[in-house]
Amino acid sequence: GNSVTQMEGPVTLSEEAFLTINCTYTATGYPSLFWYVQYPGEGLQLLLKATKADDKGSNKGFEATYRKETTSFHLEKGSVQVSDSAVYFCAPPSGGSNYKLTFGKGTLLTVNP
Amino acid sequence: DVKVTQSSRYLVKRTGEKVFLECVQDMDHENMFWYRQDPGLGLRLIYFSYDVKMKEKGDIPEGYSVSREKKERFSLILESASTNQTSMYLCASSLPGSLGSPLHFGNGTRLTVT
Repeated sequence: GNSVTQMEGPVTLSEEAFLTINCTYTATGYPSLFWYVQYPGEGLQLLLKATKADDKGSNKGFEATYRKETTSFHLEKGSVQVSDSAVYFCAPPSGGSNYKLTFGKGTLLTVNP
Repeated sequence: DVKVTQSSRYLVKRTGEKVFLECVQDMDHENMFWYRQDPGLGLRLIYFSYDVKMKEKGDIPEGYSVSREKKERFSLILESASTNQTSMYLCASSLPGSLGSPLHFGNGTRLTVT
């Protein structure tokens, strides 16, 4: 079935540093890929998505490119802010008949001023 | 905007009690999911449902059951609560389809079993 491997944290950065959180996946077919973010005390919310190869998803300064050749969907941000402190989840590829969506542990990001 | 509502934000129950966690979504989504989230273990899938009255076990179904009598409502049941079921429970819903669609999550229910 479809699965995802995400870089484990925690990750601690200073404000304005560059962020990369690695994510690789295994999947059949042509799945869609997603990143979710969970701010303290809240549920998960969709951060960005890409629905086909070479697609770049972006939101709030975050970007991720769907790379079929390396089966990766790494999350990047050029300059993080304190307000980006949260847990980030790379979601398992979805689509087709795959209903069982098993997430990983997520990556806790702490940004210090 | 899709709204996924979990009936309680915080819940405290005693060991052995039967516990119901309710989740309602307002966007006619076919798929619904229950996860639990624990420090160091991330998000783990308990059960999911892809249609009314349909249910499938996730990765950790032991000690839990579910009910999906109506499309908008997906209930998680702890038949006899135990302390190791103290956790944050997250409900989610999504559309089906070959292209995949994002999950919409509720804000979670923090359950404490004493």
